[in-house]
Amino acid sequence: LAKTTQPISMDSYEGQEVNITCSHNNIATNDYITWYQQFPSQGPRFIIQGYKTKVTNEVASLFIPADRKSSTLSLPRVSLSDTAVYYCLVGDVYSGAGSYQLTFGKGTKLSVIP
Amino acid sequence: EAGVAQSPRYKIIEKRQSVAFWCNPISGHATLYWYQQILGQGPKLLIQFQNNGVVDDSQLPKDRFSAERLKGVDSTLKIQPAKLEDSAVYLCASSLVNRVYEVGELFFGEGSRLTVL
Repeated sequence: LAKTTQPISMDSYEGQEVNITCSHNNIATNDYITWYQQFPSQGPRFIIQGYKTKVTNEVASLFIPADRKSSTLSLPRVSLSDTAVYYCLVGDVYSGAGSYQLTFGKGTKLSVIP
Repeated sequence: EAGVAQSPRYKIIEKRQSVAFWCNPISGHATLYWYQQILGQGPKLLIQFQNNGVVDDSQLPKDRFSAERLKGVDSTLKIQPAKLEDSAVYLCASSLVNRVYEVGELFFGEGSRLTVL
């Protein structure tokens, strides 16, 4: 299973751009990288997914270098409401049976300060 | 569009008692997941269904946990007997995608918080 490593926590002021990097050194050729956001007392919510280079949506950008051993989630101009835990996941092929398992790590707790 | 529905939201039981959680996924989603999230940790996959078949239950403690998905729609997760360490939030998620190598978007419910005394 491809494992991920993220910083445990980060602080940022409102209005700043936040970059959270995730390391996944043993990512498999066909694995995708997905980021989720989780607020207290809620289930995780999908933010963005990518395979290589750069992906952008209305919420965030995802940067993936050519070797794909890491990825960076970029949140532009964060607000207090972006305070949450952010999880980086790598989609695994599991036992060749056509299924896959999404492995959540401990995530990065982002605190946005006024 | 209705989201993933879970019940109950909260449950308090004593150890050795049993408990059941219910999940109704988003309509048309073939894949359903049960996750366990212990306070301060990321969600841990317990079991994955595609339609009404089990795809992965390698991390399900089968001596006490069971899950079923009848008719490929609703699912129940049961714990019997419960232990103190089962105190956690049980999250249900569903997804449209289950192609090999591709990870689709998971839609999570709000979870069922279990406290075992």
